[in-house]
Amino acid sequence: DTGVSQDPRHKITKRGQNVTFRCDPISEHNRLYWYRQTLGQGPEFLTYFQNEAQLEKSRLLSDRFSAERPKGSFSTLEIQRTEQGDSAMYLCASSLDGTRTGNTIYFGEGSWLTVV
Amino acid sequence: AQSVTQLDSQVPVFEEAPVELRCNYSSSVSVYLFWYVQYPNQGLQLLLKYLSGSTLVESINGFEAEFNKSQTSFHLRKPSVHISDTAEYFCAVSEYGSARQLTFGSGTQLTVLP
Repeated sequence: DTGVSQDPRHKITKRGQNVTFRCDPISEHNRLYWYRQTLGQGPEFLTYFQNEAQLEKSRLLSDRFSAERPKGSFSTLEIQRTEQGDSAMYLCASSLDGTRTGNTIYFGEGSWLTVV
Repeated sequence: AQSVTQLDSQVPVFEEAPVELRCNYSSSVSVYLFWYVQYPNQGLQLLLKYLSGSTLVESINGFEAEFNKSQTSFHLRKPSVHISDTAEYFCAVSEYGSARQLTFGSGTQLTVLP
């Protein structure tokens, strides 16, 4: 079990550019989540996948944001035409389906985005 | 929809003193409850969780939390803190039968002073 890994850990980009983050969940986990965390706040739910299906999206996920999980393994989160308000840490998390583990959600180290 | 309130944004405490970090939640259905810890520039690590059964749950590093259904609380306590406990602590809730994504409180910064 290598944990949830995210790449890159830090990204600085100019306003208007596109950025993409990658997440590799714990290998046997079929649920994958994306959260966003701004300074001084708790993480906020963005979206979640069950295998390759994106089952829920928060209203925080504007149309500039798109997430994919093409083969039910790794996931990407793309932000198009970045704005300064997108500056935040983007956290990926994964869990097993069902109640066997109480659906404990395990988080990665996060990807920091700074839009200048 | 559920919500979580962490009543204290910052808690300074001297080393070896006891500490309590407060968490209250609101939900119309039964919930699972969690405490996560976040060290600077890192992701979140699960500290402890309440799923069912005994209302008192413990972590391996001396923290404990008690689920109080009547008061809708899940306060985190430690009888004697160490410098290394300095971190941000987040209380979170997920509802039975939902997609079970977590709703977090705004966090409590615990600073242990020498």
